[in-house]
Amino acid sequence: EAGVAQSPRYKIIEKRQSVAFWCNPISGHATLYWYQQILGQGPKLLIQFQNNGVVDDSQLPKDRFSAERLKGVDSTLKIQPAKLEDSAVYLCASSQFGQGYEQYFGPGTRLTVT
Amino acid sequence: GENVEQHPSTLSVQEGDSAVIKCTYSDSASNYFPWYKQELGKRPQLIIDIRSNVGEKKDQRIAVTLNKTAKHFSLHITETQPEDSAVYFCAASRNSGTYKYIFGTGTRLKVLA
Repeated sequence: EAGVAQSPRYKIIEKRQSVAFWCNPISGHATLYWYQQILGQGPKLLIQFQNNGVVDDSQLPKDRFSAERLKGVDSTLKIQPAKLEDSAVYLCASSQFGQGYEQYFGPGTRLTVT
Repeated sequence: GENVEQHPSTLSVQEGDSAVIKCTYSDSASNYFPWYKQELGKRPQLIIDIRSNVGEKKDQRIAVTLNKTAKHFSLHITETQPEDSAVYFCAASRNSGTYKYIFGTGTRLKVLA
């Protein structure tokens, strides 16, 4: 089966600019996750969707981050305006609904904010 | 809040030796514990997982043990090989509808040939 797709793979922007990341999950996976992975740390969940509804966005900095999954398939994560501390790899993952189902990760987008 | 501590942060072993990575979780309702391997510049990939109704699980050279009372679980890699070199992350998840993972901080394993 095709894996989780993400684009772009790399992005360099200046602080205060905006940026958007795209994710296409594995076909049939109802649950989609966006993680932020800062260098040397484990992934931190930003937002979780179940189909097109938000299940958990408790760690999403809502003053600058937004995400949507309008048709319950692919998703977009946006940062506006970006800060230096947003430099990280943004990972998208998807899973089948239910407890214990493996989360499949995409290759990530490496964001550098200068 | 929910937290997963992981130790050590770096681990170097000689090829053929065993490696052990330990994690401790804070949420007593956690009942699913996956381990992910992340090679440099690549995506995390699941290598083994364990559920709370099991104390140990093995898959060839990899094993995971769980102590629910102490709230800690460990990854054991035997007969290490250079291709085992990577960053390993543990995670904990509860059966509460969101099934979100709380990840540890990672262990960089280096297998020296």
